[in-house]
Amino acid sequence: DAGVIQSPRHEVTEMGQEVTLRCKPISGHNSLFWYRQTMMRGLELLIYFNNNVPIDDSGMPEDRFSAKMPNASFSTLKIQPSEPRDSAVYFCASSLKDRAGEQYFGPGTRLTVT
Amino acid sequence: GEDVEQSLFLSVREGDSSVINCTYTDSSSTYLYWYKQEPGAGLQLLTYIFSNMDMKQDQRLTVLLNKKDKHLSLRIADTQTGDSAIYFCAETDDKIIFGKGTRLHILP
Repeated sequence: DAGVIQSPRHEVTEMGQEVTLRCKPISGHNSLFWYRQTMMRGLELLIYFNNNVPIDDSGMPEDRFSAKMPNASFSTLKIQPSEPRDSAVYFCASSLKDRAGEQYFGPGTRLTVT
Repeated sequence: GEDVEQSLFLSVREGDSSVINCTYTDSSSTYLYWYKQEPGAGLQLLTYIFSNMDMKQDQRLTVLLNKKDKHLSLRIADTQTGDSAIYFCAETDDKIIFGKGTRLHILP
């Protein structure tokens, strides 16, 4: 298996622009997680899905952030409008639903908002 | 609420043992985990221990669990330059809670 795939790997955008991050989980995994990592705040869970349904979005910082999982093999995290403080590395991870502690992480998307 | 605490930095000489410590709050966690993050990469599951165990050994890695004190440690024997990374401790309840990570620096 190719592992969790994220795109793009790097994104540089201007403040106010819409940003869409993409994730393809490992085939057969039915839980998907979006994280944000910064030096200041460490690793933060933004939202997670079980069987394509959002279960906990309490970590989503503001209404500017939204996430969707239209099917078992694809998820997006959208920021609209983006702000400089959104600059971070965003990770997607997947797991089997009953083994949520055994997560497989993607390589991350490094987002820079100028 | 749940919380996982770790020291932020550890420096160890190459060839020595590294011991990374972690404390957690949720006594109902069934499993406790150690993840490793190398530069520019995502986290990778390193090992885990079931909560009714005291110790788990896997090659150079030894995990010790003191459930009474809610203390978890990861010992890396014969530390090599390739072990330089950030190590995250994690517990699970209904979702996984990560610590802030311990950056392991290897001295020549």
